[in-house]
Amino acid sequence: AQTVTQSQPEMSVQEAETVTLSCTYDTSENNYYLFWYKQPPSRQMILVIRQEAYKQQNATENRFSVNFQKAAKSFSLKISDSQLGDTAMYFCAFRSGGGADGLTFGKGTHLIIQP
Amino acid sequence: DAGVIQSPRHEVTEMGQEVTLRCKPISGHNSLFWYRQTMMRGLELLIYFNNNVPIDDSGMPEDRFSAKMPNASFSTLKIQPSEPRDSAVYFCASSLRDSYGYTFGSGTRLTVV
Repeated sequence: AQTVTQSQPEMSVQEAETVTLSCTYDTSENNYYLFWYKQPPSRQMILVIRQEAYKQQNATENRFSVNFQKAAKSFSLKISDSQLGDTAMYFCAFRSGGGADGLTFGKGTHLIIQP
Repeated sequence: DAGVIQSPRHEVTEMGQEVTLRCKPISGHNSLFWYRQTMMRGLELLIYFNNNVPIDDSGMPEDRFSAKMPNASFSTLKIQPSEPRDSAVYFCASSLRDSYGYTFGSGTRLTVV
């Protein structure tokens, strides 16, 4: 079974700073997908960014980018120019590439952006 | 598209009562997932369906939980009888099979007193 570990329960940074959230995972598969989801106080789960394991290039979405290190099984999220609206829980998730399986989530990081 | 629609948004019930949570997936999506979120255990996959057929229910905590998907546009998660430890937020999500994109509903916050 796959496991996803987020070692930072909570982080706090000043507005406009850059912050990196850590995620490691354990799998014996070679083909899989990784995701970062944002959950604001409204509790809606919002997809931030996703990465296919077979792609070497790191995914980027505007201010959000990842550092995908396949050999190290690491998948960190970098948020540049952080904004107050980025305050939320952030979950790292893994999905097997073998079919339409569900997601395995980490325990989450509570990110607080201070004004 | 209205997205994944869950109802009710909040549910408060007494221990021992039956609770039914509902989900309408995005039209055209053929995979549906039920998750439970608690502070202690985080987000857990309970069960998922492909083309209305249950594929993996190993995450269902016990026999008090059951899920059905009678057609492509509707699914239910039932708890009977409910217990206080079932209090959690229950999410439904849908996707196209073999696609890695998932869309989550807004969740149902269940409180069992």
